[in-house]
Amino acid sequence: GESVGLHLPTLSVQEGDNSIINCAYSNSASDYFIWYKQESGKGPQFIIDIRSNMDKRQGQRVTVLLNKTVKHLSLQIAATQPGDSAVYFCAENAADNKFYFGSGTKLNVKP
Amino acid sequence: NAGVTQTPKFRVLKTGQSMTLLCAQDMNHEYMYWYRQDPGMGLRLIHYSVGEGTTAKGEVPDGYNVSRLKKQNFLLGLESAAPSQTSVYFCASSKTDRTKQYFGPGTRLTVT
Repeated sequence: GESVGLHLPTLSVQEGDNSIINCAYSNSASDYFIWYKQESGKGPQFIIDIRSNMDKRQGQRVTVLLNKTVKHLSLQIAATQPGDSAVYFCAENAADNKFYFGSGTKLNVKP
Repeated sequence: NAGVTQTPKFRVLKTGQSMTLLCAQDMNHEYMYWYRQDPGMGLRLIHYSVGEGTTAKGEVPDGYNVSRLKKQNFLLGLESAAPSQTSVYFCASSKTDRTKQYFGPGTRLTVT
């Protein structure tokens, strides 16, 4: 999961395995969520989004799950590849024109 | 389509100096944002704009000013830089506030 601070939580997985990255969001009024990927030295890149009227959404090799009861979001990456190594952020939007970002989880894919 | 571009990419300032960061987008987006990212932390919103001629404060607006004179440009100003403003600054744009944001490559600012 994500936490505030200088040391990012790190998830290490073997190439080809599935990865699950978790995020706990804070505002029960949030109704739109996005997962971003950030590679070293680059800006965040959109991966997938989900609105609160859905529990699950699938993209290419990625799935986002939303559990509003416990305010939890997860990102599943299937068949993880070395190119998936990056920091992953979740962001929540509570209809106030703003996104609030988590501190991120570092995904390390071992060849 | 260049997307979101930022200038400069790197800058070193001395305490008390001023500078302006420029963000440009070619996607005709209404919404534009400035964030800062500190080591090991998520993005924090400085200021944002919901359309040409409008600006609003985010989470950490102190010490910064912004202007959105043209729809495609969003400027971030530091009037009197402080070491606490050493950070990586990202600009983003989106079609609405409820759609994905497109980010620029970032500006690494060091204040000594």
